[in-house]
Amino acid sequence: KQEVTQIPAALSVPEGENLVLNCSFTDSAIYNLQWFRQDPGKGLTSLLLIQSSQREQTSGRLNASLDKSSGRSTLYIAASQPGDSATYLCATADGQNFVFGPGTRLSVLP
Amino acid sequence: GAVVSQHPSWVICKSGTSVKIECRSLDFQATTMFWYRQFPKQSLMLMATSNEGSKATYEQGVEKDKFLINHASLTLSTLTVTSAHPEDSSFYICSGQDRSNSPLHFGNGTRLTVT
Repeated sequence: KQEVTQIPAALSVPEGENLVLNCSFTDSAIYNLQWFRQDPGKGLTSLLLIQSSQREQTSGRLNASLDKSSGRSTLYIAASQPGDSATYLCATADGQNFVFGPGTRLSVLP
Repeated sequence: GAVVSQHPSWVICKSGTSVKIECRSLDFQATTMFWYRQFPKQSLMLMATSNEGSKATYEQGVEKDKFLINHASLTLSTLTVTSAHPEDSSFYICSGQDRSNSPLHFGNGTRLTVT
């Protein structure tokens, strides 16, 4: 059974810092991995999706990497801004089976 | 990008009444809809998976007679919480997928409070 963990559980950084969020999964037989952002009281917004055959995806200040063999993905946020404050969740996918991590709560201080 | 519209965004109801939550995919065909429940500061808990035109598949521990899911079209799925009780108060979120292994697109969630 797939298990997804995220470290750290919470992170507080000053504005402008580059930061890395970590996602680990136990079963490498995934089809893709998706990173989401969730603002308080809201649904999830998709940030990046990495197919199992890919190593990384980039969108603006965000870069996500995937190492299937080691069961790890990282989300790199460059030049963080207060507007980046949210909970970030990763989710592995295999067909219709999605497994979500518990999330990392990020606070970017002005 | 693909949009899922979820309504209502919040609802307060009295114990014993039923509440219907709607999710519509606006610019894609949601062959599959997933319904989640989320408790404060916790991750998503999958309640059921619904494929268009078929009966929903419920996760273990989720009462199918209490949480009625309808997915009669490729753009609309509904979750009805029947005979709601205070312990049903939670944040409910839907997500749609147009085909297997494609990205998930989420609604904005519904905050249900049962008094």
